[in-house]
Parts: sequence; structure tokens; C-alpha cells
Amino acid sequence: LAKTTQPISMDSYEGQEVNITCSHNNIATNDYITWYQQFPSQGPRFIIQGYKTKVTNEVASLFIPADRKSSTLSLPRVSLSDTAVYYCLVGDMGGGGADGLTFGKGTHLIIQP
Amino acid sequence: EPEVTQTPSHQVTQMGQEVILRCVPISNHLYFYWYRQILGQKVEFLVSFYNNEISEKSEIFDDQFSVERPDGSNFTLKIRSTKLEDSAMYFCASILLRSSYNEQFFGPGTRLTVL
Repeated sequence: LAKTTQPISMDSYEGQEVNITCSHNNIATNDYITWYQQFPSQGPRFIIQGYKTKVTNEVASLFIPADRKSSTLSLPRVSLSDTAVYYCLVGDMGGGGADGLTFGKGTHLIIQP
Repeated sequence: EPEVTQTPSHQVTQMGQEVILRCVPISNHLYFYWYRQILGQKVEFLVSFYNNEISEKSEIFDDQFSVERPDGSNFTLKIRSTKLEDSAMYFCASILLRSSYNEQFFGPGTRLTVL
């Protein structure tokens, strides 16, 4: 299982773009990179997933360099409601569906007015 | 949008008592999971369930824990004799197929307080 490292906390302001970087130096060939968001007292929520280059959806973008040893979650024009913990997970898509997700401590993002 | 539901939202129990936490996964999903999160700590995987049997379990999921899918909709986690350290948020999750296994859909959680 690839170990991930991400900042413990980050601060930003409403309207700014926020980039959270995750390091995963020992990522395996079959591993995908997935980000989840968790608000206090709620379950984690899937944000975005990618394998390489760039993935974009209505919520965020995920940038993955060619060596795949890191990834960056980009949140455009954040608002106060984006204050949450963001988790970077790395795992094998072909795991058969049985594998539980392994969460780290995540990045606590605080958005200020 | 379909969602995972959990009941109760908060359960208070005395140490040594049995508790059953209930989850209704998204209706056409096939894989089911339980996680827990002790206050201020990481979300921890407990168990996965597929085709009416446990697929994988963590070290946390000892003999005090059991899971069951008693009918076509509910998925339950039972703790036989609760301990103080079982106090946590318990999350149920489900996925449709193995090809989307990283996109797990989580419920809102049950807060278990053991006194």
C-alpha cells in the first residue's frame, strides 16, 4: 500500500484557488489516486480520482505529473463551505472491491472570509 | 440522488451492553463496508462484505464485532459487549462494482457513546 504524505493543515480565503499536494513516492503501476472530503461529523465524500495527467470535474481538478510520485488537488474559488478535511488515497483499482480504504490524517483546510 | 442512510444518528449505551448499528446501502450496490472514526482520529476500516459474507476485515474487527445483511436492504454492525474505547463515529459505505471500488459512498454515520 503506497504511503501518502500531505500537509496537516492549510488556510486560505474565500474566492482563492487552493492547491493541496500529496506525495506518494512508492506508488505502484496499478494504483489510482483518489481524494475524499470530510466535513465534521459526516462521512467522507468522494471528490475526484485519476491515474495520470489531469482530471477535472465540477468540483475540482487533479494534477498528476508523469512520474506519479505526487498529485495536486485544486479547488477553484473556494468558499467558507469548503472548510473540511481532504484525504489523498492511493490504491489498486483492480483490488476486487473487497479492500477497505486506508485513510491518513488528511489536510485540514480552513477557509476564512 | 441515492444515498446511504444510517440509524440511529446517535446511540448511547452502557459498557458491556450489545448494540446494533443499522445501515441501508444504495439499493443496487453490491459491496458494503463499515468504518469507524474515534474523535479527532483517522477513519479506520473495519470490515467489507460481499455476497453475504465477509470479504476482508481489519485487526480492529475482533470477535466482539459481527456484520449481517438480514434482508435485501439492511446491513448491520453488532458489537456484542461494548467497551469505553468503542465510542466513535461508525460509518457505513457501499459501492456498486469492483471497477468503481475507490468511489465508496458513505453514510452520515452513527455516533456511539459508551458510558
